[in-house]
Amino acid sequence: EDQVTQSPEALRLQEGESSSLNCSYTVSGLRGLFWYRQDPGKGPEFLFTLYSAGEEKEKERLKATLTKKESFLHITAPKPEDSATYLCAVQISGGGADGLTFGKGTHLIIQP
Amino acid sequence: ETGVTQSPTHLIKTRGQQVTLRCSSQSGHNTVSWYQQALGQGPQFIFQYYREEENGRGNFPPRFSGLQFPNYSSELNVNALELDDSALYLCASSSNRGIYEKLFFGSGTQLSVL
Repeated sequence: EDQVTQSPEALRLQEGESSSLNCSYTVSGLRGLFWYRQDPGKGPEFLFTLYSAGEEKEKERLKATLTKKESFLHITAPKPEDSATYLCAVQISGGGADGLTFGKGTHLIIQP
Repeated sequence: ETGVTQSPTHLIKTRGQQVTLRCSSQSGHNTVSWYQQALGQGPQFIFQYYREEENGRGNFPPRFSGLQFPNYSSELNVNALELDDSALYLCASSSNRGIYEKLFFGSGTQLSVL
């Protein structure tokens, strides 16, 4: 069964304190791995897509990396506005549905 | 360029009733997907429509059904509502069946079943 596990479930950091969020996956064939950000009362907002092991992408204070079994979202010198739930999702290849399989998310709080 | 809009934003129904949720896709997008997000969980894929045909479905029973219209707007219908159907229902649009593409999500409809 395809699975996506995110850790930690919740993380509280001081402003400027860098850290990493983890997403481990067990899938039969990976078509792509996605990171989304979700603010309270809103739908997820796209951040990155990664397709193959070794790939990295950056956007402002965020950097996503991918290995054959997991992905990391590194956040450097975070600010309070980075507080949100970060969702990881995978799209598998060869399946009938093209939907994403999401993890439960990491709830990130950045304190000023 | 308009984003994905969903209506209504909140809805309260009673067990056994039927509900219809609506979604207007982002301009230029021909694919729409629906997801269910329970409190504290990640979104779960319900189904996807491409050019008015269902072309993918997650692990949801037949009482969850949908439609996509020629203007690419969409509806999600749920019959015989159960208490466990209480959740945030998210619509997402994309331009190429969602393959290797990012999804644009609406803000969702919060459904409460009493």
